[in-house]
Amino acid sequence: QVQLVQSGAEVTKPGSSVKVSCKASGGTLRSYTFSWVRQAPGHGLEWMGRIIPIFDAANYAQNFQGRVTISADESTNTVYMELTSLRSEDTAVYYCARGLVTTSRFDNWGQGTLVTVSS
Amino acid sequence: SSVLTQPPSVSVAPGQTARIPCGGNKIGDKSVHWYQQKPGQAPVLVVYDENDRPSGIPERFSGSKSGNTATLTIGRVEVGDEADYYCQVWDTSSEHFYVFGTGTTVTVL
Repeated sequence: QVQLVQSGAEVTKPGSSVKVSCKASGGTLRSYTFSWVRQAPGHGLEWMGRIIPIFDAANYAQNFQGRVTISADESTNTVYMELTSLRSEDTAVYYCARGLVTTSRFDNWGQGTLVTVSS
Repeated sequence: SSVLTQPPSVSVAPGQTARIPCGGNKIGDKSVHWYQQKPGQAPVLVVYDENDRPSGIPERFSGSKSGNTATLTIGRVEVGDEADYYCQVWDTSSEHFYVFGTGTTVTVL
């Protein structure tokens, strides 16, 4: 059974960057898409972007364009999400979510990483 | 772009049936998936492609779709079903390829 294990909580300052990792244990990155979904406190789920490692292709939601970069390291089965120019509104739990390339659903989720942006 | 609208809350007594609607433009021609999220936990897929269930999800969870509204139905509701529920579709015409519903909190009375 594949598990997605994310890096730990981060506390950062406005204007800085954060990089969150998601390691897939029990399987490879091939044949899957990996998305990042965030959830601000008391709010719903918001898709940020995805990477398809087999094609080395990434897509980003319009409102994160230019601030987010999603990458993958197949040698370590790890996917990364970097968000720059952080502001207080970016305080949220960030989830990685995996789906098959051929489907539009998310079958597995990481445990979530809380990123707090505060001066 | 896609907007998926859900009621903020649904209340149901134990043993009864909960129905959670998800309405959206052109939802009729898209695959709809449903997630359950308990407090402090990551979402879990409970129904996909309208009415299929991942292994381990009870048959009490089912889905349907009519026109531009999809519905998640939870039969014989248990206290453990208390959670937030989100619908989701894939829409490349949206600024978000993957669109989530606004979410519904199910309270078991």
